Amino acid sequence: EAQVTQNPRYLITVTGKKLTVTCSQNMNHEYMSWYRQDPGLGLRQIYYSMNVEVTDKGDVPEGYKVSRKEKRNFPLILESPSPNQTSLYFCASSFRTNTGELFFGEGSRLTVL
Amino acid sequence: QKEVEQDPGPLSVPEGAIVSLNCTYSNSAFQYFMWYRQYSRKGPELLMYTYSSGNKEDGRFTAQVDKSSKYISLFIRDSQPSDSATYLCAMKWASASKIIFGSGTRLSIRP
Repeated sequence: EAQVTQNPRYLITVTGKKLTVTCSQNMNHEYMSWYRQDPGLGLRQIYYSMNVEVTDKGDVPEGYKVSRKEKRNFPLILESPSPNQTSLYFCASSFRTNTGELFFGEGSRLTVL
Repeated sequence: QKEVEQDPGPLSVPEGAIVSLNCTYSNSAFQYFMWYRQYSRKGPELLMYTYSSGNKEDGRFTAQVDKSSKYISLFIRDSQPSDSATYLCAMKWASASKIIFGSGTRLSIRP
């Protein structure tokens, strides 16, 4: 089954404790992206990657890091999480970016205390 | 001013009604227009996309783009309780990878 898999789905952590949210897709997509979704603000792009070893900042990259060492994986790293990073995070991928057809994971709800 | 504006709702209509969801945008360079549907506790899924202006129909769903007014719409005919979800409009430039999302409209269809 074609899918984007994120883990963990739910996480409660404390300020400053490094964490990684993993994302993996099995569709051989070149493009991958991370979004955060907050009430009233919609989906905002954090980082994206056009291909292996190619990453770039989105609209809200502060406090986040990513890497793309393999085509299928695109982990999101929070080196020192803060409460304002409490949010619902989505990983998405696409084979073709021109039409905007993104495939989303089921989301990771992160709470930073 | 946000690049894409969408009424958050919630919008509640009886089963069988025609639903109209709308977004306005400010950047006339947008060329691709999408509607995503997001069920509770799930990721968004692409419902329809339209290139440039005009209408596109897929079953009970019709997407409409009016570039002169910078206005896009999604119509749902014969609405069903299973259509209850948050609907996000989205748009992008032709040559770019970045997609701009609206904040979503929460729709509830009453049986």
